[in-house]
Order: sequence, then C-alpha cells, then structure tokens
Amino acid sequence: QVQLQESGPGLVKPSETLSLTCTVSGGSISSYYWSWIRQPPGKGLEWIGYIYYSGTINYNPSLKSRVTISVDMSKKQFSLKVSSVTAADTAVYYCARAPLRSHSFDIWGQGTMVTVSS
Amino acid sequence: SDDLTQPPSVSVSPGQTASITCSGDKLGDIYTCWYQQKPGQSPVLVIFQDNKRPSGIPERFSGSNSGNTATLTISGTQAMDEADYYCQAWDTSTVIFGGGTKLTVL
Repeated sequence: QVQLQESGPGLVKPSETLSLTCTVSGGSISSYYWSWIRQPPGKGLEWIGYIYYSGTINYNPSLKSRVTISVDMSKKQFSLKVSSVTAADTAVYYCARAPLRSHSFDIWGQGTMVTVSS
Repeated sequence: SDDLTQPPSVSVSPGQTASITCSGDKLGDIYTCWYQQKPGQSPVLVIFQDNKRPSGIPERFSGSNSGNTATLTISGTQAMDEADYYCQAWDTSTVIFGGGTKLTVL
C-alpha cells in the first residue's frame, strides 16, 4: 500500500528557509497531485500548494511569494521550501496525495512538526 | 468559493444523528470532501466528491452538497466518531479548507 513519509529539520531559525521532503513508497508517483498542507498547533488545516507529476504547480495565494514545490520522479520524492520563515510558520507539515479528478486527498503522511525559533 | 465556514463545535448523543455544515458561495457548484482528524493523528478522508465513501469508511458517514452548503451526516454516532472534521473544496486550481468542527459525543 502507498505510504508517504515527511523528512526534514524540526527546528528552523527565523528568516531562514524551511525545507522538507516527502518520500512516496509502495506505489507510483505518476498521475497524481502531490500536496503540502500544514496545521499550526491547535489550529486548522492550511493548504500550501500542489504539484502534478508532469510539473504543473499551484500555490496558496497567501504563501505563493515564499513557497517552492518540486518533484524528483526518479527518487519518488517531492519537496517543499518556505523562505523567510517566522514563528507563524510553526506547524505540523503534512504531505498528501490526490488522485486525478478526485478533488480530495486520499493518503496523508504522518506529519512532521517544524518549529521556527532562534 | 474563497472561504468555507463551519460551526466550531457540534454535540451529539450516542446513537443519534450528527450533522456538520460547511458553507461557501456557490459551494454546490464544485465538489466538497470531508476529513476526520483525531488528536495526534493525520486527517482521514471520510467523504469525497460530495457523497462518496472511500473504502473502509463506515456506511453511517454520508454527505450532500447543494446551493451554498455541504453537509456531513453521521447516523448512529458512536463514541469513536468524536473528532475534528474539516470540509475541503478544490476550486479550479486552489484548494480551500474549512475552519474545522469539533464533534463531541456526549
């Protein structure tokens, strides 16, 4: 069965760049949307952006200026970079999969906590 | 639909029916889905494309979407259904989540 696993530093300093990777195992990376979603402590879910395996990318307009999502088909990984982070970027970051035309995320990673602090 | 509005909390007695709403401008014109999230866990998809249940989701979960409101209905609510529930819509190229509803089973 398909599994997603986030990896990356759990602590990032203010003004630096947050970098995370999601590894896809047990299935294909083709023909799906791959997304990043975050959840600040005690708050709701916020969509960050997605990448389609062919390279189409869309970002949350509120984060677009600071976010980059990319995919490495050969490694079956997709990545997130958030620049110029502040304490407001402290959150659990999830990667998730959306089948084409499903308009929903059917598989989620376990999530990784990222804290922005000096 | 730029914003999705959910009630912060809903309470239900065991065995009764719980309804959680999600409101947005012309929401019925696009697909809505629902996630269940228990403390310390990742969200789980319970309804997609308005009213479809993924494999493994109990039949007591159902959904509808019309006009400006989507509704998640849990029939015969069980204690294990106590969780946060989020609606989500995918409007052309943008994904939107509702603010979440805490379902309490009293």
